[in-house]
Amino acid sequence: AQRVTQPEKLLSVFKGAPVELKCNYSYSGSPELFWYVQYSRQRLQLLLRHISRESIKGFTADLNKGETSFHLKKPFAQEEDSAMYYCALSGVGYGNKLVFGAGTILRVKS
Amino acid sequence: DAGITQSPRHKVTETGTPVTLRCHQTENHRYMYWYRQDPGHGLRLIHYSYGVKDTDKGEVSDGYSVSRSKTEDFLLTLESATSSQTSVYFCAIGGQYPNEQFFGPGTRLTVL
Repeated sequence: AQRVTQPEKLLSVFKGAPVELKCNYSYSGSPELFWYVQYSRQRLQLLLRHISRESIKGFTADLNKGETSFHLKKPFAQEEDSAMYYCALSGVGYGNKLVFGAGTILRVKS
Repeated sequence: DAGITQSPRHKVTETGTPVTLRCHQTENHRYMYWYRQDPGHGLRLIHYSYGVKDTDKGEVSDGYSVSRSKTEDFLLTLESATSSQTSVYFCAIGGQYPNEQFFGPGTRLTVL
């Protein structure tokens, strides 16, 4: 069965420090991985998808099939990065559905 | 915000009463989804729809039913609300790319 694990409920860092939000997945096929973000009082929105290999707001994520991971990274955290981050998985034959992790709250302190 | 609205945005109800939440989209997208968001569980899929009158169950469908009689509307019904259904409910629609989803603003439901 598909599963997404985000081991940290809360990650607290200082402004300017590097950030790594962990995501591990379980899926037997070829996965599609996403990061979604929910800022305070805003709706959930797509941050990035592994297929596009892009950097959004300074965040990057690399799919590591050997370690079944898709960690989200940013070299220098900013206060406006504080939000809830969800890792999500889909795949072939999964009918355009997503499986979400439990989420990690990122708090960037000044 | 991708033309997705949810109503009501907040609702307090009592155990045993029926509740219907509405999701409305103006994007004419085929796929629509209902999730619930709970601490420690993230978002879990309740039901989804891949077209008018075409729906299927998600991970946590017990106690919920859905209907989609028009492309733009996807209704979620709790036939007899229970306290365990207190949650934030999100509707989503499919995006430009496969498996990409756009979310509504959410409905906070409290069952007393």
